[in-house]
Amino acid sequence: QKEVEQDPGPLSVPEGAIVSLNCTYSNSAFQYFMWYRQYSRKGPELLMYTYSSGNKEDGRFTAQVDKSSKYISLFIRDSQPSDSATYLCAMARISGTYKYIFGTGTRLKVLA
Amino acid sequence: GAVVSQHPSRVICKSGTSVKIECRSLDFQATTMFWYRQFPKQSLMLMATSNEGSKATYEQGVEKDKFLINHASLTLSTLTVTSAHPEDSSFYICSAQRTSGSATQYFGPGTRLTVL
Repeated sequence: QKEVEQDPGPLSVPEGAIVSLNCTYSNSAFQYFMWYRQYSRKGPELLMYTYSSGNKEDGRFTAQVDKSSKYISLFIRDSQPSDSATYLCAMARISGTYKYIFGTGTRLKVLA
Repeated sequence: GAVVSQHPSRVICKSGTSVKIECRSLDFQATTMFWYRQFPKQSLMLMATSNEGSKATYEQGVEKDKFLINHASLTLSTLTVTSAHPEDSSFYICSAQRTSGSATQYFGPGTRLTVL
């Protein structure tokens, strides 16, 4: 079993839709949870960062962490064609170097 | 901001040659830098972790003599792919942590390596 599971998609939605992206994980030691957006042939761009459980909102983006269920989500409101990209979840333990474990990424396409 | 650059962005080389990729944190000091490899439509695979002034820590299965990492300063880390072969063709991405104790990694734009 992979430490982090993420549906690779692709996920196609109409412009303006609410998008829900999810990851599940198996290791309860993960404390830091990140969402990155990666456009084709580019490096990942940090979108959201949360520590432990709870919600965090930034503009159209909301990140949720449910440690009891080992489940994290990223919601995108009023999705735009420019949101079309691959979304990667990443997790880290509390340790000296905070090595990330990445999900496989979900490819999202927002149709105009 | 936290900007990380990589150079070159793309390189094509002949089999058997060595290629050096630079990773720089432009507006912050990075105590730790990471090197990843990404195959098409796959996620990022950590290759090694480097700390300024010390030897890199390689992940299992990564040949340290083939992928030489040098973290010469708090703003520069280099990855050298020695005696490159076609199977080394990939997208190489670095990331940097702003300070020790911070979990957030900021990624460079990546380097596409093609070995003929």
